[in-house]
Amino acid sequence: AQSVTQLDSHVSVSEGTPVLLRCNYSSSYSPSLFWYVQHPNKGLQLLLKYTSAATLVKGINGFEAEFKKSETSFHLTKPSAHMSDAAEYFCVVSALYGGATNKLIFGTGTLLAVQP
Amino acid sequence: DGGITQSPKYLFRKEGQNVTLSCEQNLNHDAMYWYRQDPGQGLRLIYYSQIVNDFQKGDIAEGYSVSREKKESFPLTVTSAQKNPTAFYLCASSIVGANGYTFGSGTRLTVV
Repeated sequence: AQSVTQLDSHVSVSEGTPVLLRCNYSSSYSPSLFWYVQHPNKGLQLLLKYTSAATLVKGINGFEAEFKKSETSFHLTKPSAHMSDAAEYFCVVSALYGGATNKLIFGTGTLLAVQP
Repeated sequence: DGGITQSPKYLFRKEGQNVTLSCEQNLNHDAMYWYRQDPGQGLRLIYYSQIVNDFQKGDIAEGYSVSREKKESFPLTVTSAQKNPTAFYLCASSIVGANGYTFGSGTRLTVV
């Protein structure tokens, strides 16, 4: 069965410092992995996705994530945080569900706070 | 612009009443989904539909019902049988078999 674990429920950084949001996954086959971002009372926006191509995936707004099979990790990073990055971030794995439909399995989320 | 529209953004319901949340998409996606979001629990799948006139239960379908009479529309009814309906509800769509979804902006339901 597929699952994801987000290791931190809250992360606080100062503006201009690096961001690291940690995610470990469990999958019985080569997974598809995603990071989504959610601003308060909004829907989810796709930041980036890994689908068995390059292990270092670049996304929007300067975020990137590296797929490490040996560590079963897919951590999200950004070199320099902006105030606008404050939001909740979800690590997600895709699994086949009921035939051809891909079901997304969500982590419990990491709330990122950015201090001025 | 293509996208998913959820309405209303905020909804209040009295205990014992049914309420229907709207979800419309113009992306020509075959698959549509309803998720429920509670603090600290991520998103949980309520129902999904891969094709018109067909839908399947997700992980937490009890107390909910859906219909899929048109490709563009996938309304969710929260019935009085749902014990704890106060939550943020998100609708999504995708191409069947594709990775990744497009999400709507959500409906926050509060039972008063």
